[in-house]
Amino acid sequence: GENVEQHPSTLSVQEGDSAVIKCTYSDSASNYFPWYKQELGKRPQLIIDIRSNVGEKKDQRIAVTLNKTAKHFSLHITETQPEDSAVYFCAASNSNFGNEKLTFGTGTRLTIIP
Amino acid sequence: DSGVTQTPKHLITATGQRVTLRCSPRSGDLSVYWYQQSLDQGLQFLIQYYNGEERAKGNILERFSAQQFPDLHSELNLSSLELGDSALYFCASSGAGTDTQYFGPGTRLTVL
Repeated sequence: GENVEQHPSTLSVQEGDSAVIKCTYSDSASNYFPWYKQELGKRPQLIIDIRSNVGEKKDQRIAVTLNKTAKHFSLHITETQPEDSAVYFCAASNSNFGNEKLTFGTGTRLTIIP
Repeated sequence: DSGVTQTPKHLITATGQRVTLRCSPRSGDLSVYWYQQSLDQGLQFLIQYYNGEERAKGNILERFSAQQFPDLHSELNLSSLELGDSALYFCASSGAGTDTQYFGPGTRLTVL
């Protein structure tokens, strides 16, 4: 089955700086890669996703890049703010619209230092 | 608010007991997924239902079972509970023709 590795496990950045979180996946058939943000005790919240036919996607301060050949994808957050502090999870699935179980990475705890 | 609801929010019970967790998907969503989140195992996929039928199974224990009803709500039944079953249980839903999953607020299960 699919295996997703995520690095780093913890990340501290100064407010205003950029943060990068990286994930690798094992199943070359995976074609859907969402990122979730989870605050303590709350639900995972989708922040951005990318599909395998796209190499990069951006939404305001958040961007995701995908390298299918190397089987890795990354989350980039620019101009970080205190409210970006949370745990971020990457995930992968072999999406065929009806069977999309997500395999999650182990999470990155991001702390923004004011 | 994702539109996915889960009850109860918290559940405290004893080892050996049985509990039922309930999930209502977003309006119109046909797929329901159950995930377990524990400190040492992270977010683990348990099971998926699509329009009332089981579609995919993950590392779900035999003591656990689920079903999706005609109104599309789903229930996760956990029996013969052990201390290690203490975790956050999330359900998520997605619509037909889409792979985006929206998570509910979760049920925190504590087994004493």
